Amino acid sequence: EADIYQTPRYLVIGTGKKITLECSQTMGHDKMYWYQQDPGMELHLIHYSYGVNSTEKGDLSSESTVSRIRTEHFPLTLESARPSHTSQYLCASSSAWETQYFGPGTRLLVL
Amino acid sequence: DAKTTQPTSMDCAEGRAANLPCNHSTISGNEYVYWYRQIHSQGPQYIIHGLKNNETNEMASLIITEDRKSSTLILPHATLRDTAVYYCIVRPYTGNQFYFGTGTSLTVIP
Repeated sequence: EADIYQTPRYLVIGTGKKITLECSQTMGHDKMYWYQQDPGMELHLIHYSYGVNSTEKGDLSSESTVSRIRTEHFPLTLESARPSHTSQYLCASSSAWETQYFGPGTRLLVL
Repeated sequence: DAKTTQPTSMDCAEGRAANLPCNHSTISGNEYVYWYRQIHSQGPQYIIHGLKNNETNEMASLIITEDRKSSTLILPHATLRDTAVYYCIVRPYTGNQFYFGTGTSLTVIP
């Protein structure tokens, strides 16, 4: 079973606030990913990282940014939250090209 | 883009085997078939994957046809906790992401 953690699990915040969603994994995986999923809809990759100091944008354009300063940590930041950012954000990690393991997700509601 | 076709929804009686089909007629030789499930909007949970041989683990069995154009995920004794959306994904082993598509919503009925 994978050990990947996301905090907070739920976040309600006002428009214009800066937020950071945390994702950590204890498996030493090089690769980490952020997906976005609206209720009842498909998952879309928004960011990924192959290792420390490596970040790439995914298929779905996102106003969020990510950083990868440590192997185990891959935070996602929204500088100015808007209602359109309301969604669920899912973090995943994998070793090399292997199976991706997902965290429990963060449900974000921007008022 | 998702390269798979799955039924939108299925029901299964509790205790019976749940057989979830997936068509992937354009699969390439280096592409694996992965199955994940997502329970009530939690993070997707890995179930099983395979290339061309049938696979079995503690959760499920994966049957891949000889021409690899379709596969079936089998949950041998479905329980209420298996109610979830099941995603069949085709991905090169060196691919960097999973295209989840819309999956099959499985409801296990008491």
